[in-house]
Amino acid sequence: DADVTQTPRNRITKTGKRIMLECSQTKGHDRMYWYRQDPGLGLRLIYYSFDVKDINKGEISDGYSVSRQAQAKFSLSLESAIPNQTALYFCATSDSGQGRAFEQFFGPGTRLTVL
Amino acid sequence: GENVEQHPSTLSVQEGDSAVIKCTYSDSASNYFPWYKQELGKRPQLIIDIRSNVGEKKDQRIAVTLNKTAKHFSLHITETQPEDSAVYFCAARGGSTLGRLYFGRGTQLTVWP
Repeated sequence: DADVTQTPRNRITKTGKRIMLECSQTKGHDRMYWYRQDPGLGLRLIYYSFDVKDINKGEISDGYSVSRQAQAKFSLSLESAIPNQTALYFCATSDSGQGRAFEQFFGPGTRLTVL
Repeated sequence: GENVEQHPSTLSVQEGDSAVIKCTYSDSASNYFPWYKQELGKRPQLIIDIRSNVGEKKDQRIAVTLNKTAKHFSLHITETQPEDSAVYFCAARGGSTLGRLYFGRGTQLTVWP
């Protein structure tokens, strides 16, 4: 089945370290998103990309950067991790094709802990 | 941008009762309103959605209603079952930024047997 995958699934790192979270999809979708989930705060958008040459900031992009290496790959980087970036991170995809639904499909999530 | 408010943050019901979760939005141009269910340790998954040209949509035990004038929409779950226990998120697709969803903060629904 076509799916959205994320690596790693769990990561523990130290303050100041650079870390990359990766997202791949086999759905053939053109749009990809990175969200952060914190208890009681819902899903907050970090960055989104509507195609390989398009990158847009979400509501909480400070301290993060992204790279859209191909239509199927979208990576999130923390240049210098800090403890308040400890959270559950989700990648999502959607299809902008004519007549398509607006549904977003989520990956399984990456649990990141910054010590 | 859009602002989505969701209430209540927690909801406990007895099995068989109904559950209602309400959301409001600020952007009158928003045109798509999905509801996602997230079970413990799992990814959010779409359970039902509604577009701005429809007032109500049903799928078995779940339904969503939309009041564009008041800018609010609600999720209704009837005959609740323990497997309905999860976090539910509402969202709105902003009219000014194509494809971008704005999520509410979520409602933890617990259904007691």
